[in-house]
Amino acid sequence: DTAVSQTPKYLVTQMGNDKSIKCEQNLGHDTMYWYKQDSKKFLKIMFSYNNKELIINETVPNRFSPKSPDKAHLNLHINSLELGDSAVYFCASSQGPGRRYGYTFGSGTRLTVV
Amino acid sequence: EDQVTQSPEALRLQEGESSSLNCSYTVSGLRGLFWYRQDPGKGPEFLFTLYSAGEEKEKERLKATLTKKESFLHITAPKPEDSATYLCAVTEYGNKLVFGAGTILRVKS
Repeated sequence: DTAVSQTPKYLVTQMGNDKSIKCEQNLGHDTMYWYKQDSKKFLKIMFSYNNKELIINETVPNRFSPKSPDKAHLNLHINSLELGDSAVYFCASSQGPGRRYGYTFGSGTRLTVV
Repeated sequence: EDQVTQSPEALRLQEGESSSLNCSYTVSGLRGLFWYRQDPGKGPEFLFTLYSAGEEKEKERLKATLTKKESFLHITAPKPEDSATYLCAVTEYGNKLVFGAGTILRVKS
């Protein structure tokens, strides 16, 4: 019974294509996030939604657009994919600020742009 | 500007050889310091949150401590299954976690 699930786990696509990654959490958390982990394993926040409202929007190209249809789901759509978008994308969730109970991460989506 | 710096980048230990990982941070208003464990091909797994200087938390062979400028993750008598990347992260305000680059730990039997 996975707490934070992402699909797909692997995604290989050509430059210029548009793709989406989906995330769902069954923990009842209010806040969800997208993080990007580059080849050097650095995790950086991209977006955060609290109860379907965008609350964090880091300096990310506007080719990346998150969408939260409800507080249990947060999707990431990427337009016109570039080679530099290749990375592992993690979805996470937390109850409120997450300071006490931490953040629960999904297992990641490895995106490879060729 | 690096807010979270972890050292060493990689650490190799023999089974049973205790050691410590370091996480130094430069945020001005720390609201929480987190330790995570990440296994290859998986997402980070929450270990501890520390809030104030002097605080300590323990879990099995791991003990995390916090001062005003850094945190240590002490590993006592490690086993091969402790091999993983250990990530440190801080929050200043809101919900944003800022991560360090991690320490790759390898424990050989």
